[in-house]
Amino acid sequence: QQQVKQSPQSLIVQKGGISIINCAYENTAFDYFPWYQQFPGKGPALLIAIRPDVSEKKEGRFTISFNKSAKQFSLHIMDSQPGDSATYFCAARGTSGSRLTFGEGTQLTVNP
Amino acid sequence: DGGITQSPKYLFRKEGQNVTLSCEQNLNHDAMYWYRQDPGQGLRLIYYSQIVNDFQKGDIAEGYSVSREKKESFPLTVTSAQKNPTAFYLCASSMAPRSYNEQFFGPGTRLTVL
Repeated sequence: QQQVKQSPQSLIVQKGGISIINCAYENTAFDYFPWYQQFPGKGPALLIAIRPDVSEKKEGRFTISFNKSAKQFSLHIMDSQPGDSATYFCAARGTSGSRLTFGEGTQLTVNP
Repeated sequence: DGGITQSPKYLFRKEGQNVTLSCEQNLNHDAMYWYRQDPGQGLRLIYYSQIVNDFQKGDIAEGYSVSREKKESFPLTVTSAQKNPTAFYLCASSMAPRSYNEQFFGPGTRLTVL
């Protein structure tokens, strides 16, 4: 099974701080790396995504950093807010189809 | 409103019973997916379908079955062969399979075996 490893499992950050979640993958055929945000009792929603031909993508307070040689990518949440408290999943998709492989998830808590 | 609907939101089942979870989308998406979510294990793919009347096993298909008779519908049956069915089940859909298209998720069904 193709794997995506995510860390940390849980993260507590103070309001205004930077939240950083890391993921590592094994399959060099992965060509699309999305991050999903999930609130309790809801389905995940796409937050931001990156392709391996760029090293960074920024959308508002959310940034993906991508290191192709290390097979790692990370999500940075700047100026973290209590409303960002949720579970975050990284994922990866191979070139052979549409299925995504998800990381284990990170439960983020932003304290006021 | 366009989107994905799953029903019921909560479902209780006795051991030994089959149960079917509904998933409907009006986004005109070609591909549909079923995931299982357990604490600390992320989302694991059960089955997916890229076109009507065709579907493929995911990573944890044992004890589950699906059908794709219509483009907008992809029901999941949890059979009595599934040994640990209590979980949160998520349905998703996306446009044409081979592209950088977003997967949209439904609100989920929480299944509890009594």
